[in-house]
Amino acid sequence: DADVTQTPRNRITKTGKRIMLECSQTKGHDRMYWYRQDPGLGLQLIYYSFDVKDINKGEISDGYSVSRQAQAKFSLSLESAIPNQTALYFCATSDSQPQHFGDGTRLSIL
Amino acid sequence: QKEVEQNSGPLSVPEGAIASLNCTYSDRGSQSFFWYRQYSGKSPELIMSIYSNGDKEDGRFTAQLNKASQYVSLLIRDSQPSDSATYLCAVDLAGGSNYQLIWGAGTKLIIKP
Repeated sequence: DADVTQTPRNRITKTGKRIMLECSQTKGHDRMYWYRQDPGLGLQLIYYSFDVKDINKGEISDGYSVSRQAQAKFSLSLESAIPNQTALYFCATSDSQPQHFGDGTRLSIL
Repeated sequence: QKEVEQNSGPLSVPEGAIASLNCTYSDRGSQSFFWYRQYSGKSPELIMSIYSNGDKEDGRFTAQLNKASQYVSLLIRDSQPSDSATYLCAVDLAGGSNYQLIWGAGTKLIIKP
């Protein structure tokens, strides 16, 4: 089984819908991150969390929210999806450095 | 704005040759530097980390760091078609105990048989 698991792997939805992407890890890491990746661009940090009580905004948090339900679980929500949120989303975890990535969620918003 | 710059490529290298990938960064205080490989549609995979000036070798891969010039490079010797991928450079956010990374947009490497 993968150390960092993202669900779903692919999702197509419509503008205005609420969407939740989930990430779970078995690595025992405290730090968890959500990134988005657009074609030709680097990874952009959406939110990060150092423990269940410590959640921080990244560089592109507008339109997104997160929940750290447990040390092993970190969810990303799009409250009202819009087409420019179409992207590849990655969850990552770390102890200190480096970061370890899940397989990603390909999200398309029509 | 703290930045990490990479040539987007594609960089085309014959099989068996040395591939040289470069990355420059803006924050002089950065201490940790990483190279990740990403196949199309897949997740980034760590291949090298380097923390001090000089060279670090791991198999066919060598990372080189020059903090005075603010660049880090990755050399791939005896390039194989399986090395064809996008290589991402990541640098820590200086002074951060928060372990954030700043990412380059990546260099696409193509190894020609």
